[in-house]
Amino acid sequence: AQSVAQPEDQVNVAEGNPLTVKCTYSVSGNPYLFWYVQYPNRGLQFLLKYITGDNLVKGSYGFEAEFNKSQTSFHLKKPSALVSDSALYFCAVKPGANNLFFGTGTRLTVIP
Amino acid sequence: NAGVTQTPKFRILKIGQSMTLQCTQDMNHNYMYWYRQDPGMGLKLIYYSVGAGITDKGEVPNGYNVSRSTTEDFPLRLELAAPSQTSVYFCASSVGLADRDTQYFGPGTRLTVL
Repeated sequence: AQSVAQPEDQVNVAEGNPLTVKCTYSVSGNPYLFWYVQYPNRGLQFLLKYITGDNLVKGSYGFEAEFNKSQTSFHLKKPSALVSDSALYFCAVKPGANNLFFGTGTRLTVIP
Repeated sequence: NAGVTQTPKFRILKIGQSMTLQCTQDMNHNYMYWYRQDPGMGLKLIYYSVGAGITDKGEVPNGYNVSRSTTEDFPLRLELAAPSQTSVYFCASSVGLADRDTQYFGPGTRLTVL
């Protein structure tokens, strides 16, 4: 069965510190991996995706994610957190042509 | 471009009532999707469409119907609302159904069934 796990419901980080939001997946084959962000009362916004190639993917707003095939992980990272980064972050995996499987989300709070 | 728009933003229904959630995209995307997001959960796919006149079931289609008469519009209908359908509903679209395509989401419709 396909699944995506975000093991932390909540991540708190001080402004200016590096942040990591974790994601692991379990799918058959070679999936495509995505990160989305959701601000209050807004739809999901695309941040970045991994298709193939370099394991380190750079995306919007200074975010990046590292694909690790052996650990089946796709952690989201940012070198220096901003208060405006506070939001709900979703990891998603697309093992086939149709469905996009989402994790349950991680709420990131950046403390001034 | 407005992107993906959804109406209404909020709605309260009584058990057994029906309603249609509207979704429109102006990006000329062939593929459109309806998801629901329950509190503390990820999104689940309800229905999707690969083009005008073609729709298919997703992971949780029961209690819903869709139609796709034009490329732009993909309405979602609830015929007999139930409390279990209380959720936030997101519409999305993408250029293609290929694995690598990014989906663009609307702002969501928050539905409460009492």
